[in-house]
Amino acid sequence: GESVGLHLPTLSVQEGDNSIINCAYSNSASDYFIWYKQESGKGPQFIIDIRSNMDKRQGQRVTVLLNKTVKHLSLQIAATQPGDSAVYFCAEEAAGNKLTFGGGTRVLVKP
Amino acid sequence: GAVVSQHPSWVICKSGTSVKIECRSLDFQATTMFWYRQFPKQSLMLMATSNEGSKATYEQGVEKDKFLINHASLTLSTLTVTSAHPEDSSFYICSARAENGRGELFFGEGSRLTVL
Repeated sequence: GESVGLHLPTLSVQEGDNSIINCAYSNSASDYFIWYKQESGKGPQFIIDIRSNMDKRQGQRVTVLLNKTVKHLSLQIAATQPGDSAVYFCAEEAAGNKLTFGGGTRVLVKP
Repeated sequence: GAVVSQHPSWVICKSGTSVKIECRSLDFQATTMFWYRQFPKQSLMLMATSNEGSKATYEQGVEKDKFLINHASLTLSTLTVTSAHPEDSSFYICSARAENGRGELFFGEGSRLTVL
């Protein structure tokens, strides 16, 4: 079936630097994309979303970029902090309102 | 913001017993709730879509007689793992969407099941 995948399983970043997490999706019918953060033993926490009629959306310290031409999604975290250490998942949604999660990227922030 | 509560947050049971996990939307009504399963260091896999007042829709490969889902009200869905075995040990997470929305999906904190 259709799937959402990530390029990098683990990302180590120096505190204060910017982080970029990438995600490839394959379902061209998906029109809604979300990034989640998951800390150990907890449920996913919504970070930011974007609909397919946009190519960029900014939040507090985070930016999501959507490139529909190459089916690519990215999450940029500015000035990464120790509290940003977690696993990040992208997810896509198409008809039927079912959310499909990518494989996840672990972000490790080095002090 | 909207809150989804799961209970219990963790449970240990003997092989062969059944375990019920509750998912509640605390401050909104949820027509649709979703149940996910997550193995260690893996992503969330959708198990089923729970619709209030009707039968759940299960994903391919998920045994409906093994994982019983009930969505009796707009604020409560339950997942019962019947005749649990060690391979059912996992992190089970529910999510809920507000009644009128195709908006944000709110996730519970998860329930960790360990079957001995």
